[in-house]
Amino acid sequence: NAGVMQNPRHLVRRRGQEARLRCSPMKGHSHVYWYRQLPEEGLKFMVYLQKENIIDESGMPKERFSAEFPKEGPSILRIQQVVRGDSAAYFCASSQGTGGDEQYFGPGTRLTVT
Amino acid sequence: AQSVTQLGSHVSVSEGALVLLRCNYSSSVPPYLFWYVQYPNQGLQLLLKYTTGATLVKGINGFEAEFKKSETSFHLTKPSAHMSDAAEYFCAVSTNTNAGKSTFGDGTTLTVKP
Repeated sequence: NAGVMQNPRHLVRRRGQEARLRCSPMKGHSHVYWYRQLPEEGLKFMVYLQKENIIDESGMPKERFSAEFPKEGPSILRIQQVVRGDSAAYFCASSQGTGGDEQYFGPGTRLTVT
Repeated sequence: AQSVTQLGSHVSVSEGALVLLRCNYSSSVPPYLFWYVQYPNQGLQLLLKYTTGATLVKGINGFEAEFKKSETSFHLTKPSAHMSDAAEYFCAVSTNTNAGKSTFGDGTTLTVKP
């Protein structure tokens, strides 16, 4: 059973470009979470999705950031018009259920904005 | 609302010594508590979790943690540190009422000296 897959592992974008980060959850998992980790900091929750639905996006910046989890295919975190402050590691996690179910993390995508 | 405080951003121990990483949480409802380990440039790996039942939880790699409701604590311990334990450790809390969203502490970097 493959773990959570994220790609690309490293992404370099110039200011103003768009970044697309992909996450394929573990087989059988329908809950996907995105977290951002800034240098020297912990993980900050961004968004929680189920298939075709955004359940909680309270951690998402109001502008430029969006997320989706279509019926088919991976979950996508999209950052438009990137700025240097978006440079961070973005982690995706998936779980079978919620609450006490553990979240399995992907290896992360390290975004560098130049 | 829920929050996590990890006391000590850096902990250094000698190989063979006791490891103690501190975590205090705040939650208005019964919490689920987790400890994760992160090695450089990798995702998070679950060490152990507490949901209900026995308050002393044993995890992988010889780690354990005890849920103390009266102290709102979930400290992580290991009797004898190994060089391979050097990593960053994150405590996290979630509940049944927040759709599985986990709140993470800022992390503790563990250094093991030979």
